[in-house]
Amino acid sequence: QKEVEQNSGPLSVPEGAIASLNCTYSDRGSQSFFWYRQYSGKSPELIMSIYSNGDKEDGRFTAQLNKASQYVSLLIRDSQPSDSATYLCAVKETNAGKSTFGDGTTLTVKP
Amino acid sequence: EPEVTQTPSHQVTQMGQEVILRCVPISNHLYFYWYRQILGQKVEFLVSFYNNEISEKSEIFDDQFSVERPDGSNFTLKIRSTKLEDSAMYFCASNRGAEETQYFGPGTRLLVL
Repeated sequence: QKEVEQNSGPLSVPEGAIASLNCTYSDRGSQSFFWYRQYSGKSPELIMSIYSNGDKEDGRFTAQLNKASQYVSLLIRDSQPSDSATYLCAVKETNAGKSTFGDGTTLTVKP
Repeated sequence: EPEVTQTPSHQVTQMGQEVILRCVPISNHLYFYWYRQILGQKVEFLVSFYNNEISEKSEIFDDQFSVERPDGSNFTLKIRSTKLEDSAMYFCASNRGAEETQYFGPGTRLLVL
């Protein structure tokens, strides 16, 4: 059973702080890695995708991938109350394949 | 911006009844998926569909489930005889190329009574 594990929440940070979300995966053959944001009762919304080792930055978000450690993370800089949501880590074994999701980490950004 | 659409947004049905959930993937996408999320649980893969056939399915996707692409735009999920445990949010997703990101529809909330 291929697993995706996320750091248990909930995670609470003050407005303006850095939020750090972590994810590990069991399948060494995984090719593609995604972070989604999900508000309660809504569908997953893509924040970042990352395919190769290293960092990828997009505005206030930075995804980091370390395939040797089977680890992917998401940093949110200058956190805003509107960032409060559940963040889902998803991993694809092949580029065309299904996504396997973690349980999610609920982030609360306090004003 | 193109998006995946799903209908209905909510569906209430009696146990044992058949339901059909409908999705319109983004028009130039080639890969289609159904996922479900039981309240408070993780998003779970059900089935993927490419080139007019199922490419992969999970253990959840048993004989009660079927998928179809009846025309060039719709992608449907049928549950033949619903059970209480089928109550969940069902998400359709699609992507254009094999290496590209899946985009999710808004979901159908199914409640089986």
